[in-house]
Amino acid sequence: AQKVTQAQTEISVVEKEDVTLDCVYETRDTTYYLFWYKQPPSGELVFLIRRNSFDEQNEISGRYSWNFQKSTSSFNFTITASQVVDSAVYFCALSASGGYNKLIFGAGTRLAVHP
Amino acid sequence: NAGVTQTPKFRVLKTGQSMTLLCAQDMNHEYMYWYRQDPGMGLRLIHYSVGEGTTAKGEVPDGYNVSRLKKQNFLLGLESAAPSQTSVYFCASSPPGTVNYGYTFGSGTRLTVV
Repeated sequence: AQKVTQAQTEISVVEKEDVTLDCVYETRDTTYYLFWYKQPPSGELVFLIRRNSFDEQNEISGRYSWNFQKSTSSFNFTITASQVVDSAVYFCALSASGGYNKLIFGAGTRLAVHP
Repeated sequence: NAGVTQTPKFRVLKTGQSMTLLCAQDMNHEYMYWYRQDPGMGLRLIHYSVGEGTTAKGEVPDGYNVSRLKKQNFLLGLESAAPSQTSVYFCASSPPGTVNYGYTFGSGTRLTVV
């Protein structure tokens, strides 16, 4: 079975703090893809990153960084120097190969960044 | 602009009424999906289609039907709406293949069943 667990339901930080959102996944497939999406209060889903299972390099994009560790089946997301505009719900998702690209989402983490 | 368009954006239904949600994409994607989003549960797959004329059940298909008569359109139907179907519905599309290049999501439909 495939599963994505985001254990943190809500996180509250003060602006400029660093914050890490955890994502743990389960799959028996050797080829799979992991995603992070942001859902701001307006409701749309904003794509942040896609990572395939063969690429374990960490990635940095501005204030955002992602740590992919196959050994612990984790794909964590860190926001450095958080800003109020980062307030949103963040979803981690998994898609295994051969499954018609069906996405399995975690329950999401609601991040509130206070001024 | 290319993308996925969902109509309507908002709808209120009475219990027992029926309705159809329309998803249209202009990217020539083979795969299309319907998800529902409920608080604390993330997005869950209702039905999906891997090509014109094909549909398949996802994780939570009960109470819904779908059709894909044209490649660009994927319709989600509620024959007899129930309050448990109050949710935000998202449609998505993706190209086929063993390499997953990602998805394009619609902006969502907020449905309330009273």
